[in-house]
Amino acid sequence: DQQVKQNSPSLSVQEGRISILNCDYTNSMFDYFLWYKKYPAEGPTFLISISSIKDKNEDGRFTVFLNKSAKHLSLHIVPSQPGDSAVYFCAARFPSGSRLTFGEGTQLTVNP
Amino acid sequence: KAGVTQTPRYLIKTRGQQVTLSCSPISGHRSVSWYQQTPGQGLQFLFEYFSETQRNKGNFPGRFSGRQFSNSRSEMNVSTLELGDSALYLCASSPGPSSYEQYFGPGTRLTVT
Repeated sequence: DQQVKQNSPSLSVQEGRISILNCDYTNSMFDYFLWYKKYPAEGPTFLISISSIKDKNEDGRFTVFLNKSAKHLSLHIVPSQPGDSAVYFCAARFPSGSRLTFGEGTQLTVNP
Repeated sequence: KAGVTQTPRYLIKTRGQQVTLSCSPISGHRSVSWYQQTPGQGLQFLFEYFSETQRNKGNFPGRFSGRQFSNSRSEMNVSTLELGDSALYLCASSPGPSSYEQYFGPGTRLTVT
């Protein structure tokens, strides 16, 4: 039962444009959603999070939007930079602890 | 502050052997979680420890076990290794079980032959 899904395995954008990464979930009990970035041979790096009671959170070039009625969240990166090229994971947390449920990841490639 | 450290970084084992992986969390963090990453299954939760107690366990067979020490360092053990156990094993630390942000180490790449 895949409770968190990222339906796009890859995304390619031009430098300076907007990157939009999408994530869907099925369990309405999740209380926090997080985005991680992962380079090869490294562990995931925390990017940004959003509480289930919010609909938007911004941190510099990164903005996460949450649509609870659609059980959908998205990460916007503006402007995209070549250094943003990595695999992006969406993750969700249950209120009872630190356990995270991850999506399959989306490979973002930002072309110069 | 030093990040999460994991040792060893790479390991090659033979089917049937056992392996122990180690994780040192960020100083002051008391919660440690373990995840397995494989190409087919993505990142999957193994278990979570806080104050030397296992708080959560994922859907893995009993061959996978772990423990946490009084200094919050954690180890995970896999016995009777199978080829399918080849994966990147990631440790994550957080200040406590109610913290939603987790900080990951670089992982241990285990190859079972």
